[in-house]
Amino acid sequence: AQSVTQLGSHVSVSEGALVLLRCNYSSSVPPYLFWYVQYPNQGLQLLLKYTTGATLVKGINGFEAEFKKSETSFHLTKPSAHMSDAAEYFCAVISGGYNKLIFGAGTRLAVHP
Amino acid sequence: GAGVSQSPSNKVTEKGKDVELRCDPISGHTALYWYRQSLGQGLEFLIYFQGNSAPDKSGLPSDRFSAERTGGSVSTLTIQRTQQEDSAVYLCASSWDGSEEFFGPGTRLTVL
Repeated sequence: AQSVTQLGSHVSVSEGALVLLRCNYSSSVPPYLFWYVQYPNQGLQLLLKYTTGATLVKGINGFEAEFKKSETSFHLTKPSAHMSDAAEYFCAVISGGYNKLIFGAGTRLAVHP
Repeated sequence: GAGVSQSPSNKVTEKGKDVELRCDPISGHTALYWYRQSLGQGLEFLIYFQGNSAPDKSGLPSDRFSAERTGGSVSTLTIQRTQQEDSAVYLCASSWDGSEEFFGPGTRLTVL
């Protein structure tokens, strides 16, 4: 069965600093991997996804993630944090033939001046 | 174009009452998913629809929960005899081909 582990429920960075949010997955089949962002009192917005092909995936708002099969990881990065990046971030993997999402527990990102 | 919409945005109910939550998917999206987001359990899959059929109901937590979809479009999630542990945000998502799900803003349910 597929599963997702996000290391660190809370991450705090300074504005302008590197953002690194960690995600490891477990999957018995080649995974489809996703990062979603949730701003307060809003639904989930897709940041980026990996299905096949290039392992470095670029998304919206300057975020990118690299699929590393050998490490079963899909960490999310952004070179320079903005205050507007403060939100909760969820890593997810598709599970089964019906493409339902299995989510990690989420990482709340705080950005301070 | 219009995204996924959900109504109501907030629902407060008393323990034991029934509630209905509505989801309007993006037009033309044949796949529809319900998820629940709660403090203790994170984001959990509830049920998946392909058209009007629900081939995967494995996430429904009890027989008090049911859902239907009509016309390959609108879906309703019904919770009977609500309990306090049902308090959560209920999220709906739709998809054209399963490779990407588009989420609605959610319905925040509070059971007193």
